[in-house]
Amino acid sequence: DAKTTQPPSMDCAEGRAANLPCNHSTISGNEYVYWYRQIHSQGPQYIIHGLKNNETNEMASLIITEDRKSSTLILPHATLRDTAVYYCIVRVVGGSQGNLIFGKGTKLSVKP
Amino acid sequence: DTEVTQTPKHLVMGMTNKKSLKCEQHMGHRAMYWYKQKAKKPPELMFVYSYEKLSINESVPSRFSPECPNSSLLNLHLHALQPEDSALYLCASSHEGQGKSPLHFGNGTRLTVT
Repeated sequence: DAKTTQPPSMDCAEGRAANLPCNHSTISGNEYVYWYRQIHSQGPQYIIHGLKNNETNEMASLIITEDRKSSTLILPHATLRDTAVYYCIVRVVGGSQGNLIFGKGTKLSVKP
Repeated sequence: DTEVTQTPKHLVMGMTNKKSLKCEQHMGHRAMYWYKQKAKKPPELMFVYSYEKLSINESVPSRFSPECPNSSLLNLHLHALQPEDSALYLCASSHEGQGKSPLHFGNGTRLTVT
């Protein structure tokens, strides 16, 4: 079973920031938070991951709460091409358990 | 474009056919994965290869047979499939198989079993 809870869908206006929440209240100390997205008819695309510090790259920012029980993915200026299903995944580091298990994700619709 | 290439993009096969799906990466990754994705569902892990050895088989039926001929190639051999096996089959690779590096996915093979 997936270890994360995400809203099934969200809307965002083009040009505004999209803030996608994820709850992972049972996360363990050796589990990272990963974010992927899947645009229709394509394979999942890696966005960002983190352990406990906030992370930023050219695509997005990841904010992880101090207790690590939840996180938020931020797309600073959403475009129509950001319309996709966004998956928040907790992933064990080390050993043979470090596999990516997808939950249901959030369908983000960016509207003009 | 992705750095993981899957062929063919589309495949239609009958229940008595034998076919193979192919996946190739040239990023020097040593872990490769097969996922299955039904319509409007998240991807489900099928197999994991680490350093060309099968490390994970998620109780997949034997009509699906994976093969890793070398570190760049991953095949999925299909035989006697059922219509319910129709799905998008995704291949992925990562630098290693212990959760320390992201997976990179191909765009999949859309399989229809008639």
